[in-house]
Amino acid sequence: AQSVSQHNHHVILSEAASLELGCNYSYGGTVNLFWYVQYPGQHLQLLLKYFSGDPLVKGIKGFEAEFIKSKFSFNLRKPSVQWSDTAEYFCAVNAYSSASKIIFGSGTRLSIRP
Amino acid sequence: GAVVSQHPSRVICKSGTSVKIECRSLDFQATTMFWYRQFPKQSLMLMATSNEGSKATYEQGVEKDKFLINHASLTLSTLTVTSAHPEDSSFYICSANPSGVTYEQYFGPGTRLTVT
Repeated sequence: AQSVSQHNHHVILSEAASLELGCNYSYGGTVNLFWYVQYPGQHLQLLLKYFSGDPLVKGIKGFEAEFIKSKFSFNLRKPSVQWSDTAEYFCAVNAYSSASKIIFGSGTRLSIRP
Repeated sequence: GAVVSQHPSRVICKSGTSVKIECRSLDFQATTMFWYRQFPKQSLMLMATSNEGSKATYEQGVEKDKFLINHASLTLSTLTVTSAHPEDSSFYICSANPSGVTYEQYFGPGTRLTVT
């Protein structure tokens, strides 16, 4: 069965610091990978996704993620965070064999100090 | 585009009663919708996959007789929590997969259910 691990439960950074949130998945076959963000009081929004091609994908609001197949990882990065990036971040995986079903990681809460 | 709504946004019900939550895709058709449950400060747990015109597929450990799902049209899926108990209190989120577009999901704003 697929699973997704996010090792950082709560990350606290100052504005302008660089961000990297870890995500590892377990599934031996072809996968699609996603990062979603949930701002306080709002619904889930898609930050970026990887289906195929260039393993470095760029998303909205300056976020990017790199798919490293050999490490089963899809880490999220941002070179300089802003206070408005305070949110919950979820990594998610979809296995080709399971149609559109998406499995979510446990989430990482990001707090940015102004 | 790609907006998903949920109604109601919040509901409080008494133990033993049933409550229905609606999930609508407002500007696209969705053959498949998903229902998730999110506990405080935790991730989304997939409960079931709702397929238009057929029975829902439930994840392991989810009681299908307790969480009734109906997907009667390409824009509407409903989740009915039957004989609700306080432990059913949670945040329920639906998502919709646009027909003909695999691997994309758009999420609704969620419904906060409190069972007293």
